[in-house]
Amino acid sequence: EAGVAQSPRYKIIEKRQSVAFWCNPISGHATLYWYQQILGQGPKLLIQFQNNGVVDDSQLPKDRFSAERLKGVDSTLKIQPAKLEDSAVYLCASSQDYGYTFGSGTRLTVV
Amino acid sequence: AQSVTQLDSHVSVSEGTPVLLRCNYSSSYSPSLFWYVQHPNKGLQLLLKYTSAATLVKGINGFEAEFKKSETSFHLTKPSAHMSDAAEYFCVVSDPGGGYNKLIFGAGTRLAVHP
Repeated sequence: EAGVAQSPRYKIIEKRQSVAFWCNPISGHATLYWYQQILGQGPKLLIQFQNNGVVDDSQLPKDRFSAERLKGVDSTLKIQPAKLEDSAVYLCASSQDYGYTFGSGTRLTVV
Repeated sequence: AQSVTQLDSHVSVSEGTPVLLRCNYSSSYSPSLFWYVQHPNKGLQLLLKYTSAATLVKGINGFEAEFKKSETSFHLTKPSAHMSDAAEYFCVVSDPGGGYNKLIFGAGTRLAVHP
C-alpha cells in the first residue's frame, strides 16, 4: 500500500510569512494527525482529525496555526504568520486501529 | 493523562555489545506501548508494539521489549549492537483520552554505536 504522502519536503521562509503543508493519508484511514518535531525533541501532537472533524487541537497555537481536512481525506496545515520558533519538522500520520503510519515530514526553517 | 519518560537522553555502546534503552510510562488505562526509531533525516519507523498480548514483544532488527506492569516499564533491548543501529529511539504510549487514540512520544534517546 502507498504510504502517507507529504509535501513539500523542505521549506525556508522569513518570519511573519505564511506557509502551508499538505498531507495525503493512507486510503481508508479515518484518523489523521499533525505532529511538530523540534530539533532534539520528540514529536508533539498539534491536531487530530477523525474523518473531517477535529477531535483534539488542544496543543495547536490557534492564533497562528490552522488545519483542515476537507472531505475527510487529505489535509492542510497552515502557519500565518510564522515565527522563528516554528522551525521544526512537521509530521503527518494516519491510523486505523493500532496501525499508525508516518509520513517523511516537512522540514520548515524560519529565518 | 498518559506519558512516557525516557531515562537516558544519550546511550553509547560498542559494536557487538548489548543495548538497553529505558522507558517508564504513566497510564490510567491498560496501555498500548510502542518503540519507534528515527535515523538521521529519515521518517519514523515502528520497531515494535505492545497491545496487551504477550509481555515480551519482539520487533524488527533483533530488538525486543518487555512490558512490566509492576515497574511501569517498557525497556528496549538488543543482544548485540550493530553500527546501523545508531539513531534516535522514541518510546511512545497510546492515549485513548476522549475516545480517540493518539500517540504520546517521549523525548527520545540517541544511541551511538562505536566500532
